[in-house]
Amino acid sequence: AQSVAQPEDQVNVAEGNPLTVKCTYSVSGNPYLFWYVQYPNRGLQFLLKYITGDNLVKGSYGFEAEFNKSQTSFHLKKPSALVSDSALYFCAVRDHSGAGSYQLTFGKGTKLSVIP
Amino acid sequence: EPEVTQTPSHQVTQMGQEVILRCVPISNHLYFYWYRQILGQKVEFLVSFYNNEISEKSEIFDDQFSVERPDGSNFTLKIRSTKLEDSAMYFCASTIRGDAYNSPLHFGNGTRLTVT
Repeated sequence: AQSVAQPEDQVNVAEGNPLTVKCTYSVSGNPYLFWYVQYPNRGLQFLLKYITGDNLVKGSYGFEAEFNKSQTSFHLKKPSALVSDSALYFCAVRDHSGAGSYQLTFGKGTKLSVIP
Repeated sequence: EPEVTQTPSHQVTQMGQEVILRCVPISNHLYFYWYRQILGQKVEFLVSFYNNEISEKSEIFDDQFSVERPDGSNFTLKIRSTKLEDSAMYFCASTIRGDAYNSPLHFGNGTRLTVT
């Protein structure tokens, strides 16, 4: 079974400061990892993904994430936070083991608040 | 940019009634999904659909639920005999043809279902 943990329900950061939203995962095979963002009353929007290759993945709106296989982590980062980054962030994983699952398993989400 | 559209945005129904949630996926996408998000909880996979049949479903997706692609554009989720615990935000999603394992999901804005 695959699972995702986002240990922080909420992260507060001052505008202009770097931000990190944490994610760890568990899969039986190799993971496909994703970050999505959800603004109020909207659907989830894709930010970035890790499939293979370079462990540092760059995505939309200046976000990036680093895949760390030994720590089974995929933390989301941004060098300088904007107030407009305030939203709910979801980490997700899909198992690449060949089990044929289309299921994307999400974490419970982390609410990011960027303080002006 | 093409979008996944969902209707209605909010549906209120009485316990025991049947509801149909509607989705129009992106036109060149072939893989379709329903997810739900109970208020304050994580996004949960319900079902995936490809080539006019269910490809995978979760434990949540019991006989109370069904999906259908009645024509070339709509993708529906039917919930028979709704229960209070069915109250949630229901998200439709689709992915582009090809490798659905690493293609990001494109989500609609969701239908908020309230069962009273």
